[in-house]
Amino acid sequence: EDKVVQSPLSLVVHEGDTVTLNCSYEVTNFRSLLWYKQEKKAPTFLFMLTSSGIEKKSGRLSSILDKKELFSILNITATQTGDSAIYLCAVRNAGGTSYGKLTFGQGTILTVHP
Amino acid sequence: SAVISQKPSRDICQRGTSLTIQCQVDSQVTMMFWYRQQPGQSLTLIATANQGSEATYESGFVIDKFPISRPNLTFSTLTVSNMSPEDSSIYLCSVVVLRGYNEQFFGPGTRLTVL
Repeated sequence: EDKVVQSPLSLVVHEGDTVTLNCSYEVTNFRSLLWYKQEKKAPTFLFMLTSSGIEKKSGRLSSILDKKELFSILNITATQTGDSAIYLCAVRNAGGTSYGKLTFGQGTILTVHP
Repeated sequence: SAVISQKPSRDICQRGTSLTIQCQVDSQVTMMFWYRQQPGQSLTLIATANQGSEATYESGFVIDKFPISRPNLTFSTLTVSNMSPEDSSIYLCSVVVLRGYNEQFFGPGTRLTVL
C-alpha cells in the first residue's frame, strides 16, 4: 500500500522565519509528487514534481524532489501570517486506472505569528 | 488551471436522509474524482467519476452509499445516501485538466454535518 509521511505535523514560527516541510513516501511505480496549501476547505495547488534535483519556485515558496531517497521538501522563506495553513503532500502512482491515484500525507499545520 | 464550483458549499442534514453534491468545471477535464476529508484527517479518495459509465470506487466505498454520476466532461454529482453522523466531512471534487500537465486541482468543497 502506498504511504506518504509528512513532518513535522505542526510548526509554529514568527513572521520572517524560514521553514522547511518534509515529505517522504513509499509508492509503487512513482509518477509525480504534488504539494497543496489548504486554508479552509479547498486545497490549493502549489507544485508538481516529477524529476529529481530540479527545484520549482514560486515567489517565496520552493520545492525539490529526491527520487533516490524518496522524499521532497517545501521551503517557505520570509514567512507571513498569510502562510498559516495546512500543507499537504501527495504522491501519484502509475498503477490502477490509466491516470493513477493520489495518496495524501497527513499534512503539516503551519502557524505564523506576527 | 480550472475553475471548479461545488454546490452546496455546506449543509446540515438529518440522519437517514441523502444529499447530492454537484461539481461543475469551466473547462474540459480528463479525470474527475471525489474525495472525503473527515475532521482532523487528510484527504481520502472515494471514487473516480467516469463519463457515461459507472464510477470506479476505492476500497471501503460502495456505489449504494455514494452513487456518482458524470453525464459529460465538465459535470459530476456525488450523493451521500442514508446519512449517519459518521458521514460528517468535507467532500471535495477534484479534476485533471485536459490541456494541462497532469496537475490536479480541487473544488471549494462541501462541508456536510449530519445530526
